[in-house]
Amino acid sequence: SQKIEQNSEALNIQEGKTATLTCNYTNYSPAYLQWYRQDPGRGPVFLLLIRENEKEKRKERLKVTFDTTLKQSLFHITASQPADSATYLCAPHTGRRALTFGSGTRLQVQP
Amino acid sequence: KAGVTQTPRYLIKTRGQQVTLSCSPISGHRSVSWYQQTPGQGLQFLFEYFSETQRNKGNFPGRFSGRQFSNSRSEMNVSTLELGDSALYLCASSTGRDQETQYFGPGTRLLVL
Repeated sequence: SQKIEQNSEALNIQEGKTATLTCNYTNYSPAYLQWYRQDPGRGPVFLLLIRENEKEKRKERLKVTFDTTLKQSLFHITASQPADSATYLCAPHTGRRALTFGSGTRLQVQP
Repeated sequence: KAGVTQTPRYLIKTRGQQVTLSCSPISGHRSVSWYQQTPGQGLQFLFEYFSETQRNKGNFPGRFSGRQFSNSRSEMNVSTLELGDSALYLCASSTGRDQETQYFGPGTRLLVL
C-alpha cells in the first residue's frame, strides 16, 4: 500500500543554521509533491509544490528537492529563525483526488 | 480575498450528541474538503464536495456526513458522538482540480466528554 513517511521526532536546531526535513514515500510515483506548514491549533498553510521533472525549487529561504529514484523529497530552510518553528507536512500526489499528508515533522529553532 | 472561515472555532459536546460544523470557502472555489486531525492519526481525509456533490470520500464511518450548498459553503455533521471524535476538524477549499493546492481554514476544535 502507499505510504508516506516523515521523521516523527522533533528536529531541534540553532538559529541561523539550515534545517533539513525528509519526506519518503513508497509504492507509488507521485507526479508532484507539496509542502505545508502548520502552527499549533491552526490549519496547514501551503508553502511549495515541486513536480517530478523539477529537481529543485526555491522560494526565499526555502528549498525543496525531489528525487524520484530515491522516492524522497527534502525540505530545507536556510538561515533558520525561531519564527520558523512549526510542523511541516509533505503531501505527495497519490493519484487519488484527495490530498494525503505525511504525519509531519516538528521543527524547533532555538534562539 | 478573504480566506477560508470555519465556525464555530471551539465546541464541547457529550457522547451521543450530534454536531454540525460550517465552512465558507474562498470566493470562487468550488471544492471543499474536510479533514480530521488527531495527535495519534495525523491529518486524515474525510470527504470532498464539488458543486454540491460528494466527489470523494475517506475511510470514516457513516456517522460522518456532509453537504455543500449552491454558494459552495459546506457543513459537516457527526452524529452519535464518541470520545474518539475529539479532534481538530479542518476544511480546505480549492478550485477543484485534482489534488491541487488546498487552502485551509483555522479549524474547529471539538471536545467530546
